Amino acid sequence: AQKVTQAQTEISVVEKEDVTLDCVYETRDTTYYLFWYKQPPSGELVFLIRRNSFDEQNEISGRYSWNFQKSTSSFNFTITASQVVDSAVYFCALSERNRDDKIIFGKGTRLHILP
Amino acid sequence: DTGVSQDPRHKITKRGQNVTFRCDPISEHNRLYWYRQTLGQGPEFLTYFQNEAQLEKSRLLSDRFSAERPKGSFSTLEIQRTEQGDSAMYLCASSQAAGAYNEQFFGPGTRLTVL
Repeated sequence: AQKVTQAQTEISVVEKEDVTLDCVYETRDTTYYLFWYKQPPSGELVFLIRRNSFDEQNEISGRYSWNFQKSTSSFNFTITASQVVDSAVYFCALSERNRDDKIIFGKGTRLHILP
Repeated sequence: DTGVSQDPRHKITKRGQNVTFRCDPISEHNRLYWYRQTLGQGPEFLTYFQNEAQLEKSRLLSDRFSAERPKGSFSTLEIQRTEQGDSAMYLCASSQAAGAYNEQFFGPGTRLTVL
């Protein structure tokens, strides 16, 4: 069964602190993709990153970094030096090649960055 | 290329009324997906089309829901006899199923409120 678990429902940190959003996934496919999306108050889904199952290299993009570990089925997202504009709901998601790429989303983590 | 568009952006209706939403995918994208996002949850897959063929429907899609993609271009999602539980954001996404990975591009969504 495919499943994405984001155990942190809501997180609040003070601006400039680092914060890590956890994501654990379940899949039986060997070929799959993992995503993070941001959903600001406006409601649109903003794509942040995609990772395929064969690429376990960590990635850094500005203040954002992602840690993919197949051994623990985790794909965690860290924001360094958080800013108020980072306040949003963040979704981790999974897509399996054998299931026509439909995306399975976690329930999301609501992140509050306090000034 | 203007991206995926959805119309209307907001819809308020009374219980028991029928509503129809439209999604215009990115031109030449042959796959089109519908997702539903209720308050506090991540988006959930409803159905998807490959060209004009509807290939999969989620169990979430009750008999009151029908989706079409008559010419393999735009799609409509109709809800008959709306219920308060239908209140949600309805998201559309499209992709070009041609390669190793078929990235989905999301529209801005239609927010439905059933009174």
